[in-house]
This record gives sequence, structure tokens and C-alpha cells, in this order.
Amino acid sequence: SQQGEEDPQALSIQEGENATMNCSYKTSINNLQWYRQNSGRGLVHLILIRSNEREKHSGRLRVTLDTSKKSSSLLITASRAADTASYFCATRGSGNTPLVFGKGTRLSVIA
Amino acid sequence: KAGVTQTPRYLIKTRGQQVTLSCSPISGHRSVSWYQQTPGQGLQFLFEYFSETQRNKGNFPGRFSGRQFSNSRSEMNVSTLELGDSALYLCASSLASFVDEQYFGPGTRLTVT
Repeated sequence: SQQGEEDPQALSIQEGENATMNCSYKTSINNLQWYRQNSGRGLVHLILIRSNEREKHSGRLRVTLDTSKKSSSLLITASRAADTASYFCATRGSGNTPLVFGKGTRLSVIA
Repeated sequence: KAGVTQTPRYLIKTRGQQVTLSCSPISGHRSVSWYQQTPGQGLQFLFEYFSETQRNKGNFPGRFSGRQFSNSRSEMNVSTLELGDSALYLCASSLASFVDEQYFGPGTRLTVT
């Protein structure tokens, strides 16, 4: 069963605009990760944020985590056509628990 | 370093047959996880291996099995294939178990007819 729920399911923006995707989850976590997938290929790890962190940056990516609301957001600034992909959040609980993925947000960046 | 490799990349099988998929992790990575991805169910965890031991198993029937070898390479096997087993099977490796980010292979696209 899915732990994370991404919102929106699909997002279409113009090149240069910012894209924001949200992820909500149900149970307490050890960390939350964001991944990108291009056209049914393998996933690429983008960023990991631990439960005691509130914000993390990596290049044009900014991730926030609000454990009180059990939610996270991924912001991609100055989007490019190459950012077109599906984005997944994945949560890791405490102890020996597997990574659980949401169903993803499909981002289309139009040139 | 070479990335995670999966073989074969594409596979067509008939209902009732069995299939074995292979995954070679990044050198030095000791943890390998397997996922099934379908349009309807999304990404679902199958199992995770660390140092040849299965650490966790997802909610899949016993037809799905796996193993890990001493060189960390892993295989998964699906017996008595059903149409619903058609999916992209993804393998991911990480340095350790249950903590680090995962590095995914390109996947094996299995079609069951």
C-alpha cells in the first residue's frame, strides 16, 4: 500500500516557471526522499530529507518537510523542458522498514 | 563507477511460465531491493536483501521469490506467470540497509501474454 500521496497528479507549466509538488504521508518517518523517473525508466534519486530537518536545497531543488502535518513539498525553480518527468516521494519509517513510494506527479514543462 | 544493471531489459513470456530477472548493484553496495511498477498500482516493494539475507518482503504471493549472492548480485524469480505480472521490475542498490538513498537500474519490462 502507498504511504505517500502526491499532489497534484499532473502538472503542466511553461519553461522558466517554478513547479511545486506536494506529498502527504500517514505514519511517522525516519526520512523522506524524492525521485524522478523519465518515461518508464529507472528512478533517479534527487534529495533525501531526514525527519529532524525542515528544509534542504540541491541546485534548483528545494524540499521542505513538516512532520507535524506529515507533508513535504518539492520546488523546482526555473524549470526546463528536461525536467519533464514523473516525480515520486518515498518514505522510510523507523527500524527495518522498506521505502514506500507514492503514485507520483507527472510534470510537463513546455518550451 | 558503473551504475545498477538489470538483465534482460525486455522479456515476453506466456502465462504459466516462470522467469528469472537479474540485478547487479553498484560496486560496494550490499543492499538490493526489488520493486514492481504498474500503471494501476504504482511502485510496490517486493523484497530487500542485505548480505545475502532477505531483510523485508512486500505483500506479494509466494510465486515471487528472490535471492542475493555473495558478490551482492541479486535475482528474482516469478513462477506460474499471470497476466497481471506484466510490469516494469526495478532493482535498486544502496550502501547499507534501510537508511540510505537508493540507486535504481533501468528496469526489466516483463510482458505476460
